[in-house]
Amino acid sequence: QKEVEQNSGPLSVPEGAIASLNCTYSDRGSQSFFWYRQYSGKSPELIMFIYSNGDKEDGRFTAQLNKASQYVSLLIRDSQPSDSATYLCAASLRGTGRRALTFGSGTRLQVQP
Amino acid sequence: EAQVTQNPRYLITVTGKKLTVTCSQNMNHEYMSWYRQDPGLGLRQIYYSMNVEVTDKGDVPEGYKVSRKEKRNFPLILESPSPNQTSLYFCASSPRLISGNTIYFGEGSWLTVV
Repeated sequence: QKEVEQNSGPLSVPEGAIASLNCTYSDRGSQSFFWYRQYSGKSPELIMFIYSNGDKEDGRFTAQLNKASQYVSLLIRDSQPSDSATYLCAASLRGTGRRALTFGSGTRLQVQP
Repeated sequence: EAQVTQNPRYLITVTGKKLTVTCSQNMNHEYMSWYRQDPGLGLRQIYYSMNVEVTDKGDVPEGYKVSRKEKRNFPLILESPSPNQTSLYFCASSPRLISGNTIYFGEGSWLTVV
């Protein structure tokens, strides 16, 4: 079982719609969760991070964390064609774990004009 | 400007010819790491370093070596490259081990081994 799992997509949504991206993780020791956006051939860029159960909003983006269900999601409101990219979910272990981040394989989002 | 610089950005090489991908950061970060990215597999960690002279294996270390003689540099060495090491490589640095919000990625190095 992968430690961080994502549906590879593509997830296709019309412009202006809400895009919902999902991620599950296997390690209950995971404490911090991150969403990165990656355009083709470019390096990942951080969108949001979340530590606590519940929702965290930043502009058009909302991250949701449910530790009991080991589930984290990213909602993108008013989706724009420029949001078309691959979205990587990542988790980090608390303390001095050997890895900074464990990444999922990413979900490709396509926003149709 | 804070940055992580990788070189070369693009390289085509032949099987067995040793190569080094350099990585340098100008932020005085303690933690540095190498990832490779392959279709459908996401980013997988190759090696990481928590400080000078301290390195450890990540998830996919086979066929790679690293060194950390200076804080700013963390080169990735392929002693005898093979075609299955064809990939997109990212170097990353962070002030601390667990600081996803401050992980800085280099621009990536496309490596093709024929």
